[in-house]
Formats: sequence, structure tokens, C-alpha cells
Amino acid sequence: AQSVTQLDSQVPVFEEAPVELRCNYSSSVSVYLFWYVQYPNQGLQLLLKYLSGSTLVESINGFEAEFNKSQTSFHLRKPSVHISDTAEYFCAVSERGTDKLIFGTGTRLQVFP
Amino acid sequence: EAGVVQSPRYKIIEKKQPVAFWCNPISGHNTLYWYLQNLGQGPELLIRYENEEAVDDSQLPKDRFSAERLKGVDSTLKIQPAELGDSAVYLCASSLTAYNEQFFGPGTRLTVL
Repeated sequence: AQSVTQLDSQVPVFEEAPVELRCNYSSSVSVYLFWYVQYPNQGLQLLLKYLSGSTLVESINGFEAEFNKSQTSFHLRKPSVHISDTAEYFCAVSERGTDKLIFGTGTRLQVFP
Repeated sequence: EAGVVQSPRYKIIEKKQPVAFWCNPISGHNTLYWYLQNLGQGPELLIRYENEEAVDDSQLPKDRFSAERLKGVDSTLKIQPAELGDSAVYLCASSLTAYNEQFFGPGTRLTVL
């Protein structure tokens, strides 16, 4: 069975600073990997995903994540955060060939001015 | 295009009372999901529908929870009777078909007193 670990429940950071949100997964089979963002009082939105091909994937708002198979990680990074990036971020995994998402416990990113 | 609609957004009930949540997926989406999100946790799948058929309800506590999607469009999730431990956010998501991106609604926050 798959599982996802997000070790950091909260990450405080100042505006324009870089940030990394960590995600590690465990699975005995090949997986797809996802990052979702949840803004206050809103539903989850897909931020980016890794299905195959290039291990570095990017979102339209400056986030990127790199699939590292040897370390079973899919950390999310942004070189310079904005106040508007304040939200809860969830890492998720699904086994290839299925659509069942297994979510981590989430990391709350708090950006301060 | 309207997103996934859920109602009510908030519900407060006393334990042992029944409660129902409603979800209207994005038009044309055949696959519908109900998730449970406990405080400080990631979403966990309760049930998945392909059109009107429940294809994965293995995580649905069937002694008190039930769901339906009679015409393969909108769906209702019911709890009867509610218990204190049912306090959580109930999320609905839909996708064009299984294996496509899931789009989430804003959720219904249930408080059981």
C-alpha cells in the first residue's frame, strides 16, 4: 500500500524568500505524484503533477517539484514566495493504473510581509 | 464554467441526528468522489462513482453512511445517526473519467455536538 509523509505541518517564511515543502512517499509499485493547494475556504486545486518523463515539473505560478525515485521524494519548491501563496499544500500519490489518491497530512505555508 | 458545487457549506447538528450533503459535479464529468477530511489530515476517499455505479465504496462505513447518485449526475452523502467523531469536512470531487484530473468542491464542514 502507498503512503505519503509530509514531515512539516507548518512552514513560516517571509515574503520573497525561497521555500521547500517536503514530501516523501512509499510504494512497492510505480506511482504518479501530485501537489494540491487549498486556499482558505476553498476546495483543493491541482498545483502540479508527475506522471512520466522529465522528473522536474513546474506550475504556472512559479512552483516546481522534482521526482527523486532513489529518495522516494517529491519536494515542492519556489524561489521567491508571495503573500498570496499562503495556503495548505497537500502531496498525494496514486498507483499507476489506478485513480485512487493517497494524501499526506498537509503543510501549512504561512508567508509573512 | 461552474466548478463542483456542494451544499450546505456548514452544518451543525446534535449527535444521533441524521444529516445529508449534496454535490453537483462539473457538467459532463462521469466520475464522482466523496472524501472525508479530518482536522489536520489529508482527504481520505469514502466512495467513488462511475456514472451511477459505486465502483469503490470499501472505505465507506456502511453501518451509518450511505450515498447515492441516482441519475449519474449529482450525489448525496448521508449519515444516520451522526456521532461526535463524524465532525470533519466532507469533500466532493469530480473528473471527466477515472484517471483524469480531479476537481474538488469547497466542502461541507460538519460539526456534531
